[in-house]
Amino acid sequence: DAKTTQPTSMDCAEGRAANLPCNHSTISGNEYVYWYRQIHSQGPQYIIHGLKNNETNEMASLIITEDRKSSTLILPHATLRDTAVYYCIAPNKLIFGTGTLLAVQP
Amino acid sequence: EAGVVQSPRYKIIEKKQPVAFWCNPISGHNTLYWYRQNLGQGPELLIRYENEEAVDDSQLPKDRFSAERLKGVDSTLKIQPAELGDSAVYLCASSLNGILYEQYFGPGTRLTVT
Repeated sequence: DAKTTQPTSMDCAEGRAANLPCNHSTISGNEYVYWYRQIHSQGPQYIIHGLKNNETNEMASLIITEDRKSSTLILPHATLRDTAVYYCIAPNKLIFGTGTLLAVQP
Repeated sequence: EAGVVQSPRYKIIEKKQPVAFWCNPISGHNTLYWYRQNLGQGPELLIRYENEEAVDDSQLPKDRFSAERLKGVDSTLKIQPAELGDSAVYLCASSLNGILYEQYFGPGTRLTVT
């Protein structure tokens, strides 16, 4: 089963871009990468997903390497409300892993 | 539009007691998921339903856990008997036809087994 690896925690200054990396070297060729986030005491919330091309929506941008072994979620202008645990998942078995705790500092 | 509804929000029971969690998905969502989230960990899928059918229950501890979705709408997850290690947040989610970018989670039920 595909497995993802993320740093345990990251800090980011408010208003700056937050770049959250994820390694998914075992992902299969037709498997999308999904990103969710979970604010304290809430259920996870979908952010964005992608296969090969870079993606952007109103919440974030997703950069996927050409070999598809890793990706980076970009929050272009982080706010205090973006403080959360961010998960990248390979959806085959819906394995969330431990995620990255992003702390946005004022 | 109402989101995924779960009840109760909190439950404290003694070990060996039974417990049940209820989930009402978003209207029209035929796919329903139950996850368990241990402290400091990400959610772990327990079971996934497509309408009334459990299509993935490989991670459900079947000796003490059971789930049902009789009419393809509401669902109940039961633990009998509960063990100390079952203390966790139990999350329900739903989506339309298993589409993950339309998967919405409920607030969860926090279970404490003493």
